[in-house]
Amino acid sequence: DIQMTQSPSSLSASVGDRVTITCRASQSISSYLNWYQQKPGKAPKLLIYAASSLQSGVPSRFSGSGSGTDFTLTISSLQPEDFATYYCQQSYSTSMYTFGQGTKLEIK
Amino acid sequence: EVQLVESGGGLIQPGGSLRLSCAASGFTVSSNYMSWVRQAPGKGLEWVSVIYSGGSTYYADSVKGRFTISRDNSKNTLYLQMNSLRAEDTAVYYCARVAEQQLVVYYYYYMDVWGKGTTVTVSS
Repeated sequence: DIQMTQSPSSLSASVGDRVTITCRASQSISSYLNWYQQKPGKAPKLLIYAASSLQSGVPSRFSGSGSGTDFTLTISSLQPEDFATYYCQQSYSTSMYTFGQGTKLEIK
Repeated sequence: EVQLVESGGGLIQPGGSLRLSCAASGFTVSSNYMSWVRQAPGKGLEWVSVIYSGGSTYYADSVKGRFTISRDNSKNTLYLQMNSLRAEDTAVYYCARVAEQQLVVYYYYYMDVWGKGTTVTVSS
């Protein structure tokens, strides 16, 4: 089974900061990596698919990069509405869509 | 409008059964890949199951043999039959559409539409 590990587990940052979240796969998953944002009490929202493709309607301050086993989600300039929990997910194995454990982004 | 609405959650005793429903609008369930994802209280997202348009189904090891994913094409609805429920199955259960997109020569899969979730509590 493919394991997904995110770092850090939590992060404090200020509005306007540039933030990077890392996701590592236990084996190569090419570019089969998605990123989701979840706010308390809400369903997850797709941000990035195929490692670097921005989902329609998602602000351009969000970007994704990486391939193989190491991936990053970058928020170029944090906005108040970006404080949330972020999850990566692999779709290389289409019989098991594993999520990372999440990264909680909090206001400093 | 593309939408998913889950129902069927509730309080159930350990060992009991429950069937969750996910009604879709704005698209056809049978033509898409569909999945269930759950989130235990205060925990992260856990993928549970997927059903492909051709009918193939897959499950997380934690629910294999106890849960069954299915769909009713006439009702445009996805289901999750949950048997032999345990305390650790307590969670909010989300249904999601798994989109397929071709980029260059490869097909990529991601969950682009989510319901608001239904809560399952397993407790005596």
